[in-house]
Amino acid sequence: ETGVTQSPTHLIKTRGQQVTLRCSSQSGHNTVSWYQQALGQGPQFIFQYYREEENGRGNFPPRFSGLQFPNYSSELNVNALELDDSALYLCASSRDRGEQYFGPGTRLTVT
Amino acid sequence: AQSVTQLGSHVSVSEGALVLLRCNYSSSVPPYLFWYVQYPNQGLQLLLKYTTGATLVKGINGFEAEFKKSETSFHLTKPSAHMSDAAEYFCAVSDPIGSSNTGKLIFGQGTTLQVKP
Repeated sequence: ETGVTQSPTHLIKTRGQQVTLRCSSQSGHNTVSWYQQALGQGPQFIFQYYREEENGRGNFPPRFSGLQFPNYSSELNVNALELDDSALYLCASSRDRGEQYFGPGTRLTVT
Repeated sequence: AQSVTQLGSHVSVSEGALVLLRCNYSSSVPPYLFWYVQYPNQGLQLLLKYTTGATLVKGINGFEAEFKKSETSFHLTKPSAHMSDAAEYFCAVSDPIGSSNTGKLIFGQGTTLQVKP
């Protein structure tokens, strides 16, 4: 059974650019949640996708958006990058919004 | 609104000593409670969880935690620390899973556990 995978592992972007992060959910899971973990902080909930629809959102601006595909993989898009967007972005998959299994994360650096 | 407070951002113990990481939560509904571990440059691994039932929960790697409703606490313990336990530990709370809930996790700030030889 393949676990949760995320790509890319690391990336560096310039302020004002746009970025897309990808997450492949664990087999049998239909829910993907995204979290942002700033350095030295606990993860913060960005949003969740359940059966291809957004199912809850944290306190993040609209320039953070996402998608979930029919195979339940997901993308996180961030527009107009700011320096404070530098963080580890974690994806977690679950079945029917149950126990969450985390991927290894994508480290985003904005310069 | 739910929240989690982890007391002590850094805890240092000697190898073989008791590990105690403190977590207090705030929730308006019966919570689900979790402890996760994060090793450097890695994602989060679930150590243990409390949903309902027995308040003493056993997890992986010899860790356990006790849900105390009267104290709104969910402290993590391990009788004897091992060098490999050195990592960042996060306590988290969520709403019970239901048709109107996401089960989103609210995390504490984390506690760095250092294990000295």
